[in-house]
Amino acid sequence: QVQLHESGPGLVKPSETLSLTCTVSGVSITSYYWSWIRQPPGKGLESIGYISYNGDTNSNPSLKSRVTISLDASKNQFSLRLNSVTAADTALYYCARTARVPEYWGQGVLVTVSS
Amino acid sequence: DVVMTQSPLSLPVTLGQAASISCRSSQTLVYSDRKIYLNWFQQRPGQSPRRLIYTVSNRDSGVPDRFSGSGSGTDFTLKISRVEAEDVGVYYCMQGTHWPWTFGQGTKVEIK
Repeated sequence: QVQLHESGPGLVKPSETLSLTCTVSGVSITSYYWSWIRQPPGKGLESIGYISYNGDTNSNPSLKSRVTISLDASKNQFSLRLNSVTAADTALYYCARTARVPEYWGQGVLVTVSS
Repeated sequence: DVVMTQSPLSLPVTLGQAASISCRSSQTLVYSDRKIYLNWFQQRPGQSPRRLIYTVSNRDSGVPDRFSGSGSGTDFTLKISRVEAEDVGVYYCMQGTHWPWTFGQGTKVEIK
């Protein structure tokens, strides 16, 4: 049974870098695509980006070049880095196993951007 | 970006009655492989989204058969044949054909 668990700091200062890790269990990370999606409090869902099993990535143009997604097969983890954050980046961040589209999602981690 | 427009945004329903949610896309969702990557997600209060339907009408494993999806072109529908208490939550349509994937605004289903 696939399980995903997001981890990382719950509070990030404006202009700094948000870093999150998704730990995957129950399946090899080299077998699927993996994605990040976020949900601002009380709002809808926004795609952030995805990474393939061989490391190819794509990110939402709305986030311009602030996004980096990477994969560590030895730890069965993948990660998100979002730099130069502002209050608009405050959201619940989800990681998801992806087969063309997100299938199984983690429980999410709330990240607040505030000084 | 492809805009996904859902209606209604709020849907009070009586237990045991049917419910229907509409989703319209601003562009066709037919991918190069001729599939339509239109999905429906359920988000119960305090939980992460759960995919119910993929490629318009295919139910995910474990999804009750009272949930069904249909549609073509740019118009899609999620139907719940007999609403149960556990169906309360927000339902999102999502297109996976064009990057970035985009979601509808969500439809909040509640019991009258």
